[in-house]
Amino acid sequence: DAMVIQNPRYQVTQFGKPVTLSCSQTLNHNVMYWYQQKSSQAPKLLFHYYDKDFNNEADTPDNFQSRRPNTSFCFLDIRSPGLGDAAMYLCATSLYGTQSGANVLTFGAGSRLTVL
Amino acid sequence: KQEVTQIPAALSVPEGENLVLNCSFTDSAIYNLQWFRQDPGKGLTSLLLIQSSQREQTSGRLNASLDKSSGRSTLYIAASQPGDSATYLCAVRVTGGGNKLTFGTGTQLKVEL
Repeated sequence: DAMVIQNPRYQVTQFGKPVTLSCSQTLNHNVMYWYQQKSSQAPKLLFHYYDKDFNNEADTPDNFQSRRPNTSFCFLDIRSPGLGDAAMYLCATSLYGTQSGANVLTFGAGSRLTVL
Repeated sequence: KQEVTQIPAALSVPEGENLVLNCSFTDSAIYNLQWFRQDPGKGLTSLLLIQSSQREQTSGRLNASLDKSSGRSTLYIAASQPGDSATYLCAVRVTGGGNKLTFGTGTQLKVEL
């Protein structure tokens, strides 16, 4: 009954070869997030969508882009992966508002990226 | 800039012990605070969310408290079990910060038989 599904779970790519990670949700949440988590570090927000409104963090590298074609899907594109981009990429969703359950983040299982 | 700190980084306890995990944050103007659990190589699971107007939240053997004025939250785990072994992260959402959560680096808990 996974509600936030990330694919692939494991991705190996070569230095400079573009990668796309996907995230889908069945929760009908209006906010979707992409976090980067390196080993033993805190998750770091890359960007998020509030509906179709895209919000980029100031320190997110230009190498990272995102698309949200509809409510259910969100993609993370890494145009030219470097060794430093090897990490776990976490997708999360939440419902924005004041009702019960709002603002609680639901995470997917993550996509682990290895760069050779 | 909000900074979130969790101490200790790692903790090992025998099964059955009650334990407390600590989280501190530098900006007390928070909207809410969440505690998450992360198993190795997996995503995060939300455990408890405390709104800024609340002092504590309980779910089963877990109790989270919030003291905004001192910039602290604790996660109390009663009667710990080996299945509680995981990394526990806290994250705060700052008032006026939109949807952004700032995470701590977590406390890695091991409950031994």
